[in-house]
Amino acid sequence: GAGVSQSPSNKVTEKGKDVELRCDPISGHTALYWYRQSLGQGLEFLIYFQGNSAPDKSGLPSDRFSAERTGGSVSTLTIQRTQQEDSAVYLCASRQGTGANYGYTFGSGTRLTVV
Amino acid sequence: AQSVTQLGSHVSVSEGALVLLRCNYSSSVPPYLFWYVQYPNQGLQLLLKYTSAATLVKGINGFEAEFKKSETSFHLTKPSAHMSDAAEYFCAVSDSSGTYKYIFGTGTRLKVLA
Repeated sequence: GAGVSQSPSNKVTEKGKDVELRCDPISGHTALYWYRQSLGQGLEFLIYFQGNSAPDKSGLPSDRFSAERTGGSVSTLTIQRTQQEDSAVYLCASRQGTGANYGYTFGSGTRLTVV
Repeated sequence: AQSVTQLGSHVSVSEGALVLLRCNYSSSVPPYLFWYVQYPNQGLQLLLKYTSAATLVKGINGFEAEFKKSETSFHLTKPSAHMSDAAEYFCAVSDSSGTYKYIFGTGTRLKVLA
């Protein structure tokens, strides 16, 4: 697609429920990142996928968070047993190449509210 | 480990005035540096990037930034602010691991006064 697409754009869920957030990167972009943007915490790295390599999960805050990327394209971030502190905007980004000089293209994000 | 510091969480300028948003970095290796802009309810958009070529980098919307190694700075400037520049601006450094994930500053919200 022309840009990085994220869905849903907004999600309100009850505490304790599971949620799935979807990211559809730009076609041909091999690298995909998830970040979390919350008040007081800025932008936090969550997870990174590159091609068929094992993902870098070092930013996931707890074992309630997981992500997968199927077929090197679409990615799903899953949060189990949501807590109020999970409320944030979850941003997905993709990158064309493997070098540090390539900039990211971000999606518009999913705003998650846990009530 | 890399890090960035953005001085000033809020900056106000008058329309037509110079915009200066500050970013200092810390890196043990030559850094790759980026500025992103975020408009309300949108994702981040790349303004410009420094990748060890020219130290003065020109970006979109009339913005530019100068890499100064001696000062470990990468400040963002624009000669004349427009109302449409009101947004949040993030400085980022790419880490030196193979993931090239970004370490972001905490952001500066720019307000443009009529």
